[in-house]
Amino acid sequence: DTGVSQDPRHKITKRGQNVTFRCDPISEHNRLYWYRQTLGQGPEFLTYFQNEAQLEKSRLLSDRFSAERPKGSFSTLEIQRTEQGDSAMYLCASSSTGLAGGPLRDTQYFGPGTRLTVL
Amino acid sequence: AQRVTQPEKLLSVFKGAPVELKCNYSYSGSPELFWYVQYSRQRLQLLLRHISRESIKGFTADLNKGETSFHLKKPFAQEEDSAMYYCALLNAGNNRKLIWGLGTSLAVNP
Repeated sequence: DTGVSQDPRHKITKRGQNVTFRCDPISEHNRLYWYRQTLGQGPEFLTYFQNEAQLEKSRLLSDRFSAERPKGSFSTLEIQRTEQGDSAMYLCASSSTGLAGGPLRDTQYFGPGTRLTVL
Repeated sequence: AQRVTQPEKLLSVFKGAPVELKCNYSYSGSPELFWYVQYSRQRLQLLLRHISRESIKGFTADLNKGETSFHLKKPFAQEEDSAMYYCALLNAGNNRKLIWGLGTSLAVNP
């Protein structure tokens, strides 16, 4: 499967614990996005990377959240001192910009998501 | 402000009936719009992108700039079309993030 993958698929943690999620994008994609989705809502943008550079962070992303994409390949999203309000589905997507993307340039492809439950 | 509105949270039709899922947008420039579908327990999948002008699984969507709409249509609904449908707008800024509607749950009844 050459699509976007995410690990783990489910995470249950106690309030105050730290959690880390991983996303592996489609290999030739230079952009990687993190979104969060809660019940009854559409996805909300959290942050994105172009190659290894994190270029924008949403105001939704508090100081407890940090994301990295160290070599411009996979990305991790860490949440420190989790709160019950962090419970959500965390989605990762990747896309290709520029001519390399062809007619599907800027089309985002999504992973299966990581469902976080904070007790 | 950039915004996507899907006015119907739930749409229920019978198999073989036409279906239209509404999407309206607010955007100052030339919009790029998408429909994504999420079947039960599956990931978000691209259904179609307006610039492609393709018909996927019998669905079509036409961009109407006058009405700022991008409604999704299918002439004859099938039970396997039951899913959550999201309309999304591509932000024209450098981040190229997607701005999403709340989604419409389509139920196709036998």
